[in-house]
Amino acid sequence: AQSVTQLGSHVSVSEGALVLLRCNYSSSVPPYLFWYVQYPNQGLQLLLKYTSAATLVKGINGFEAEFKKSETSFHLTKPSAHMSDAAEYFCAVTAYNQGGKLIFGQGTELSVKP
Amino acid sequence: GAVVSQHPSRVICKSGTSVKIECRSLDFQATTMFWYRQFPKQSLMLMATSNEGSKATYEQGVEKDKFLINHASLTLSTLTVTSAHPEDSSFYICSARDPTEDSPYGYTFGSGTRLTVV
Repeated sequence: AQSVTQLGSHVSVSEGALVLLRCNYSSSVPPYLFWYVQYPNQGLQLLLKYTSAATLVKGINGFEAEFKKSETSFHLTKPSAHMSDAAEYFCAVTAYNQGGKLIFGQGTELSVKP
Repeated sequence: GAVVSQHPSRVICKSGTSVKIECRSLDFQATTMFWYRQFPKQSLMLMATSNEGSKATYEQGVEKDKFLINHASLTLSTLTVTSAHPEDSSFYICSARDPTEDSPYGYTFGSGTRLTVV
């Protein structure tokens, strides 16, 4: 079975500050991990994904995440927050034997203060 | 890149009626599509896996007779909420995978449908 835990349902940062959104996973097989962003009343947009290649993954809009097997973590970071980064962020996991099903974390709402 | 179109974006219906939501892959063929449900301020819960030309696979606890899924072509899957009730009000999102992408897990999501049952 697989699961994802996102620590912190709400994170608030100042514009220009570091963004750190935490994600820990559980998987009995090598995982594939994703970060998605969702704006109000919209679908999900893929930020980045880890599929067993490089452990440091760079995504769109300046975001990156590092896969750490020893810590079962896949935290999302961005060096400098922008007002447009305010949204809901979801971490998700799947694996080769899951038939394409994604398991999502609870989500983290990111607020950016001017 | 791959695009998934979902319609309608918003729908309001009366209790007891049925509502159909469409999910189309615009520039690729998707043998498999997924339907998710999202309650306000909550995460996405997988409802079912839609397979072209065969029956959908429903997750535990999802009523297959209430949430009818049809995947009649390689570019279209539909979700019909039958005899809708206020508790069915939610945000429904579909996703599909473009099998031609390099990575085996390039999921694309539709823009979602906000269903309100009154």
